[in-house]
Amino acid sequence: DQQVKQNSPSLSVQEGRISILNCDYTNSMFDYFLWYKKYPAEGPTFLISISSIKDKNEDGRFTVFLNKSAKHLSLHIVPSQPGDSAVYFCAASDRNGNNRLAFGKGNQVVVIP
Amino acid sequence: DVKVTQSSRYLVKRTGEKVFLECVQDMDHENMFWYRQDPGLGLRLIYFSYDVKMKEKGDIPEGYSVSREKKERFSLILESASTNQTSMYLCASSSRDRGPLQPQHFGDGTRLSIL
Repeated sequence: DQQVKQNSPSLSVQEGRISILNCDYTNSMFDYFLWYKKYPAEGPTFLISISSIKDKNEDGRFTVFLNKSAKHLSLHIVPSQPGDSAVYFCAASDRNGNNRLAFGKGNQVVVIP
Repeated sequence: DVKVTQSSRYLVKRTGEKVFLECVQDMDHENMFWYRQDPGLGLRLIYFSYDVKMKEKGDIPEGYSVSREKKERFSLILESASTNQTSMYLCASSSRDRGPLQPQHFGDGTRLSIL
């Protein structure tokens, strides 16, 4: 059973506009959430994270919002750039500290120049 | 920078062969992980290890085993390869120091084809 869900598998956005990726989770024990970015033929690279004690975390063009009551998080990229074209994975872990992650299926983002 | 190195980028093997995928990290990380990535299924955890000689099953361990004899090296073994194990295999490592928000660092993957 998929504990982390990413719907709308692909997204196309114009350069300079906002990209919004959504992620829902079912396990109420999840307290930590991470986003990874993956280019073809490369491993995923860490992008940004958020703990459940926060509702927002920002790092440059990337902002993650967490709505714990709705078990929903989103990643905003603004402005989008052609180099942002990649697959984005949402991941979650619980508070037992073993760093085991549950991943979503990923969203393909294409930024059109 | 953390470096996670997987021994092969591409590998072709035959059904029934025993296959070894090797992963080495250079940051003295305690945790190491093996995933497979398939279209439409995302990343699925096969096995992980918290320390030398320790291993835990992930979500899809059937048909696989692992070995962690040294801290820096984590091997994934396909005991008798089958065509449904054709996939992209990704190794990752992380430190225990910062707890759950410690990101995992990934290698570039091994694309394994079983004929």
